[in-house]
Amino acid sequence: QSALTQPPSASGSLGQSVTISCTGTSSDVGGYDYVFWYQQHPGKVPKLMIYEGSQRPSGVSNRFSGSKSGNTASLTISGLQAEDEADYYCCSYTGSSTLVFGGGTKLTVL
Amino acid sequence: EVQLVESGGGLVQPGGSLRLSCAASGFTFSGYWMHWVRQAPGKGLVWVSRINGDGSRTTYADSVKGRFTISRDNAKNTLYLQMNSLRAEDTAVYYCARVVNYRIDYWGQGTLVTVSS
Repeated sequence: QSALTQPPSASGSLGQSVTISCTGTSSDVGGYDYVFWYQQHPGKVPKLMIYEGSQRPSGVSNRFSGSKSGNTASLTISGLQAEDEADYYCCSYTGSSTLVFGGGTKLTVL
Repeated sequence: EVQLVESGGGLVQPGGSLRLSCAASGFTFSGYWMHWVRQAPGKGLVWVSRINGDGSRTTYADSVKGRFTISRDNAKNTLYLQMNSLRAEDTAVYYCARVVNYRIDYWGQGTLVTVSS
C-alpha cells in the first residue's frame, strides 16, 4: 500500500494553467477508473474536485479537469485563480479493496 | 443535510487505547460504506479503514491491521474506530467519511488523536 506519487509542489500565475500528476501502478491508478482528486485549504476539510478520473461533481468549476494515461493520472486547473491555492491529493481504489492517497501537492498561485 | 460529527479524540500514552465515534445524520446511514481517513499534523491524507452498510465487510490499511477495528451501529447511526496498541505515528486528525462508488462525498470535521507520553 505505497502512497501514490505526486510532486510536493506546483505553481502557476494567475490566469495560467497548471497540471499536477499522480503516479501509481497497475494495481491502483492504472487498473481502475476510480481515481479521485481532492482539494484542501489550510485548516479545512478536503473537497472532492474530480471523481472517476475525469468527472466533476456538481458545483465544481469547469476549470478543473482530470485525465489518466496508463498508471498516471493528472489534474489540470486552467485560468488559475487565487482561491485555487491549496493542497491537492489524488486517491485511487486498489486491487486490495483499499483506497490509497498521494502524498499531496501544494499549489501556489503567483 | 448530511452531517458527520466525530468525537473521542484526545491524548493517550503509547500502547494505550481509544475509541472514536462518528455520529451521522441527514441520510440513510445503513445504505452507505463508511471510511476513516487520517492526517498527521502538517502531513498528507492517509486512508485507514472501511466498512460496508451492514457491517459485515471491513478492510484495513496495513499500518493499522490487527490494532484498529472499525464497526458501526446502524440503530444509532454511528460509526466507530477502536484503536489499540497506539503508537506515536498514529498521531493525527481522524476523519470519518461517507463513500459512494469509492469517492468520498462527505467528510466530518475530524477529531485529533495525540499519542505521547
